[in-house]
Amino acid sequence: EAAVTQSPRNKVAVTGGKVTLSCNQTNNHNNMYWYRQDTGHGLRLIHYSYGAGSTEKGDIPDGYKASRPSQENFSLILELATPSQTSVYFCASGENWAYEQYFGPGTRLTVL
Amino acid sequence: AQSVTQPDARVTVSEGASLQLRCKYSSSVTPYLFWYVQYPRQGLQLLLKYYSGDPVVQGVNGFEAEFSKSNSSFHLRKASVHWSDSAVYFCAPGTQVVGQLTFGSGTRLQVYA
Repeated sequence: EAAVTQSPRNKVAVTGGKVTLSCNQTNNHNNMYWYRQDTGHGLRLIHYSYGAGSTEKGDIPDGYKASRPSQENFSLILELATPSQTSVYFCASGENWAYEQYFGPGTRLTVL
Repeated sequence: AQSVTQPDARVTVSEGASLQLRCKYSSSVTPYLFWYVQYPRQGLQLLLKYYSGDPVVQGVNGFEAEFSKSNSSFHLRKASVHWSDSAVYFCAPGTQVVGQLTFGSGTRLQVYA
């Protein structure tokens, strides 16, 4: 029944490896967002999307790519993972005419 | 200058006590304001929102917040806290880009019996 789901929930990756984090929403929202959460920083926006085929850079896009193949799905891709990308990643969705966002449960990524 | 400030990283109160969590925002963000709550190992949940109108807005679980344009603030309040309110609370104003939020660093609330 959860409207925004993320997979995997936990991931351990090696430095230099490729990581893909997936997000699915059933809210039928146009906008989707990827954030990372680190202690003392709140949430910081990595990439966002206005709809299928659209990806935009957020505040900290370096080292990340995004893909929005459909209204429901939004992926975050780390082509060459680094230990500095160890964090908790959250996906969210929202209407394109409103500010409130609805979040997934998060993915805890550890890069060794 | 930071666009949103939550000056208290950690607040500890006893169960049944009143609560105020502070949030100040800058002129670089919109006066569309939100509070989110994050329970351990979970995502963020919308607690309440302000777009316009009555400056005191009600949220879930007895929370309310008051918008003050003159003070550039949107403080969160609760009359009587419960141990289950222990969580991290984020203040998030809208940015100049419609649909985007900017998040404060959060206030960790610990309620003890």
